Amino acid sequence: NAGVTQTPKFQVLKTGQSMTLQCAQDMNHEYMSWYRQDPGMGLRLIHYSVGAGITDQGEVPNGYNVSRSTTEDFPLRLLSAAPSQTSVYFCASSSDVYNEQFFGPGTRLTVL
Amino acid sequence: SQQGEEDPQALSIQEGENATMNCSYKTSINNLQWYRQNSGRGLVHLILIRSNEREKHSGRLRVTLDTSKKSSSLLITASRAADTASYFCATDGYGGSQGNLIFGKGTKLSVKP
Repeated sequence: NAGVTQTPKFQVLKTGQSMTLQCAQDMNHEYMSWYRQDPGMGLRLIHYSVGAGITDQGEVPNGYNVSRSTTEDFPLRLLSAAPSQTSVYFCASSSDVYNEQFFGPGTRLTVL
Repeated sequence: SQQGEEDPQALSIQEGENATMNCSYKTSINNLQWYRQNSGRGLVHLILIRSNEREKHSGRLRVTLDTSKKSSSLLITASRAADTASYFCATDGYGGSQGNLIFGKGTKLSVKP
């Protein structure tokens, strides 16, 4: 099993550009989530999903969109990138929010 | 806002010593989890303790939970240089409502050989 995979590993964007961060898991997990990690801020929840077709906002959802059309995939879309979105983004999955979360390796995003 | 807050922010010890990290949280929880992150990598789950448990062990790790004080501690015994990493606590947030797992800011542990 590959676990949780994220692509790309690194990305540089210009202000105003849009892009999609990909996340996929092969563990048949219902719960998936996106976090951003900034120095001194720990991990902050952006969006999460408790199953295909169901998504909800976390602590810092502004500027990001998600969808969950399949159990396996949970892409994160940046609509119009801003320098404040420079961060490391982690995707995670689990059988439910109360259990062990499996994290992907992260995407390091820089917005110029 | 952060649900869990780790203390201290940074900890430096010698190999063989014990390392203790603390986590405080604000609202009632179902579970509390501890994760480890090596530099530049994703987080790895260490241990989960349920709200009706007071202590749990896993290898060199010992976790305690005091729901009356809304706090938890992670003890790593006989530390090794390979334990150098950041450690985070995570709680299901906001009165146990499904859907939110909230992480603290982490404790950065440095174990010197």
